[in-house]
Amino acid sequence: DAKTTQPTSMDCAEGRAANLPCNHSTISGNEYVYWYRQIHSQGPQYIIHGLKNNETNEMASLIITEDRKSSTLILPHATLRDTAVYYCIQTHAGGTSYGKLTFGQGTILTVHP
Amino acid sequence: DSGVTQTPKHLITATGQRVTLRCSPRSGDLSVYWYQQSLDQGLQFLIQYYNGEERAKGNILERFSAQQFPDLHSELNLSSLELGDSALYFCASSVEPGGLETQYFGPGTRLLVL
Repeated sequence: DAKTTQPTSMDCAEGRAANLPCNHSTISGNEYVYWYRQIHSQGPQYIIHGLKNNETNEMASLIITEDRKSSTLILPHATLRDTAVYYCIQTHAGGTSYGKLTFGQGTILTVHP
Repeated sequence: DSGVTQTPKHLITATGQRVTLRCSPRSGDLSVYWYQQSLDQGLQFLIQYYNGEERAKGNILERFSAQQFPDLHSELNLSSLELGDSALYFCASSVEPGGLETQYFGPGTRLLVL
């Protein structure tokens, strides 16, 4: 079962920042937070991951609270192409899980013109 | 384009039949994962192979089986098909087990069982 909770849906205006929250209150010390997105029945696409520090890459930023019980994915300048389902996943990097991903329902982000 | 290829893109078959889905991982990736996405169950992990060996099993039915060949491509075999097996089947690959940040997904095979 998915261990994270996310809002079912969110809207964002094109060009504005999209902030997608995720709660992972049961996260353990060696679990990471990963974000993937899925654009209309395409294969999921990796966005970003983090352990406890904030992370940024060319796609997004990830802000993790100090207690690590929640995080926010930030798309700084959302475009129509960012309309997708966004999945927040807490999981071990390696070890006995061997990399399997447990997807929840995700957040449907709709970017409006 | 993730570099992972899956064939066929679409498959329509009848109940009771058997089908084979094929996946070619990205060049250099040794680990292959299979996922099933249906409307009622969402995206679910089925099984993982690393360099030809099974590494992890998820919610995979006994009617389903998979293997990874020496050239690292993988096949997912679905037999005695039921209506409920209609779904999108994704293959993903990574360099090694647990390489989550480098898990690349293919475009999927859409299976329709009539």
